[in-house]
Amino acid sequence: ETGVTQSPTHLIKTRGQQVTLRCSSQSGHNTVSWYQQALGQGPQFIFQYYREEENGRGNFPPRFSGLQFPNYSSELNVNALELDDSALYLCASSLGTSTAMGEQFFGPGTRLTVL
Amino acid sequence: AQSVTQLDSQVPVFEEAPVELRCNYSSSVSVYLFWYVQYPNQGLQLLLKYLSGSTLVKGINGFEAEFNKSQTSFHLRKPSVHISDTAEYFCAVSLMYSGGGADGLTFGKGTHLIIQP
Repeated sequence: ETGVTQSPTHLIKTRGQQVTLRCSSQSGHNTVSWYQQALGQGPQFIFQYYREEENGRGNFPPRFSGLQFPNYSSELNVNALELDDSALYLCASSLGTSTAMGEQFFGPGTRLTVL
Repeated sequence: AQSVTQLDSQVPVFEEAPVELRCNYSSSVSVYLFWYVQYPNQGLQLLLKYLSGSTLVKGINGFEAEFNKSQTSFHLRKPSVHISDTAEYFCAVSLMYSGGGADGLTFGKGTHLIIQP
């Protein structure tokens, strides 16, 4: 059973640029959630994708967008990068959208640094 | 909106001693409760969760937690810790009824458990 993988591991961008982060979900999982973890903070929910559609969103501006593909892998896109976007971005896959019924399995994250 | 407070940012404990990591939550509606562990350079791993039923929940690696509704707490405990338990621990909640659509997990800021030999 393959776990959740994310790429790249690390990324450095400058303010105003755009970035795309990728996530491959665990085999058999159809739901992907994205979280932002700033240094010294707990993860914050960005959004969730289920069957290729956004199924819920946290308190993040529209410049944070995503995609889910037919194989359930996912992308997180961030436009017009700001310094505060520097964080660890975590992807979690699960079977179904319920946090109670389907355990979320987290990937190791992508460390984004915005200069 | 719901929130999670982990009062201790760091907890140093000697090896083989017991430990308790505190978690309090605030929510106007019923929630599910979770504890996750994050080892360096790794993703979060679920330790245990409370959905309903018995308020004492047992998880992996010898951890357990007790849900106290009146005190809105979900403290994590282990009777005897090992060096390998050194990690960041996160308490999290999610709404039982999100009104359609997902609202994800709401995490606390984490507690760094430091095991001293």
